[in-house]
Amino acid sequence: EAQVTQNPRYLITVTGKKLTVTCSQNMNHEYMSWYRQDPGLGLRQIYYSMNVEATDKGDVPEGYKVSRKEKRNFPLILESPSPNQTSLYFCASSLIGSNEKLFFGSGTQLSVL
Amino acid sequence: DQQVKQNSPSLSVQEGRISILNCDYTNSMFDYFLWYKKYPAEGPTFLISISSIKDKNEDGRFTVFLNKSAKHLSLHIVPSQPGDSAVYFCAASARLGNEKLTFGTGTRLTIIP
Repeated sequence: EAQVTQNPRYLITVTGKKLTVTCSQNMNHEYMSWYRQDPGLGLRQIYYSMNVEATDKGDVPEGYKVSRKEKRNFPLILESPSPNQTSLYFCASSLIGSNEKLFFGSGTQLSVL
Repeated sequence: DQQVKQNSPSLSVQEGRISILNCDYTNSMFDYFLWYKKYPAEGPTFLISISSIKDKNEDGRFTVFLNKSAKHLSLHIVPSQPGDSAVYFCAASARLGNEKLTFGTGTRLTIIP
């Protein structure tokens, strides 16, 4: 089954404790992206990647890191989480040139205390 | 600066009637527009799209209308069904190889049986 898998689904952590949210897709998509969803703000792009070893900042990259060492994986790293990073996070992937076929994972609800 | 705006956070419609969801954008470079649908505890899924060379695109019960001069698009659902209850996100992109989607804030649609 074609899918984007995020882990974990829920995460509660404390300020400053490094964490990684994993994302994996099995559709051989070149493009992968991370979004955060906040009330009243919709979905905002954090980082995106057009292919292996090619990443770039989205609209709200501060406080986040990503890596793309393999085509299927695109982890989101919070080196020193802060309470304002409490949010619902989505990973997505698509073929290049196919915005409408953006496949999303089920989301990761992160709470930073 | 919210480039894609959905001014109605919520909308309630009776089953069988028409649901109309609205979206406004400010960036004149946007030339491709999409609607995504999101159920609770799931990621958004693609619903329908429209290119700026068209003013209407229809797919079953769903029709998207684009008014370029007003920088406005709308999604019509006819007839509305209980399974249509979800959050709907409008999104826009400026093509020419740009994979970036800018999302609106979302409208929660509730269909009343």
